[in-house]
Amino acid sequence: AQKITQTQPGMFVQEKEAVTLDCTYDTSDPSYGLFWYKQPSSGEMIFLIYQGSYDQQNATEGRYSLNFQKARKSANLVISASQLGDSAMYFCAMREGRKAAGNKLTFGGGTRVLVKP
Amino acid sequence: DSGVTQTPKHLITATGQRVTLRCSPRSGDLSVYWYQQSLDQGLQFLIQYYNGEERAKGNILERFSAQQFPDLHSELNLSSLELGDSALYFCASSRKSWGGEETQYFGPGTRLLVL
Repeated sequence: AQKITQTQPGMFVQEKEAVTLDCTYDTSDPSYGLFWYKQPSSGEMIFLIYQGSYDQQNATEGRYSLNFQKARKSANLVISASQLGDSAMYFCAMREGRKAAGNKLTFGGGTRVLVKP
Repeated sequence: DSGVTQTPKHLITATGQRVTLRCSPRSGDLSVYWYQQSLDQGLQFLIQYYNGEERAKGNILERFSAQQFPDLHSELNLSSLELGDSALYFCASSRKSWGGEETQYFGPGTRLLVL
């Protein structure tokens, strides 16, 4: 079974508008971390935002915010005021379990975002 | 710029050959990770090293091996290469933060093409 599911393979968004990228996850571990990464066409992976399973508040980093709904096991990324430079692939990832046991990330399939001027 | 460096950026080789990918982590990071990104498998974790010791292993083929050296740089060795090994190979690094998460910062990747 998929541990991280990103159901939107691609989407268009108008410049200056907000966009929400969906991510659902599956784990039975009470301790986990959720991450979003951006991969522009140049190929590098850029860390955007992190949410811990015990965090009470939704994470925010500049124009990025994470809508964390623990009971629904979803961790949607919201990008506000989209810019042309936001056009990229976006990956949701999860780290499960005790960090001492290893820190591997499991990634979703990604969502491609294209910002239209 | 994440601070993680990878060389080479591109590599073209033939089936059956062996290649070595190199990674230098961010200053102060003790953990190094290797990931493979391919069209059919997506992004997959291969292996993690912490301060020279193997910490976790993922779907790494027996033909692949890695190590982390005393200066903390890491190498991923791929041997008996097959067409299906063509992929983007990422190295990432992280450090412990008390009470916080170990965020992984990725290098620019090495794009391997096996012909």
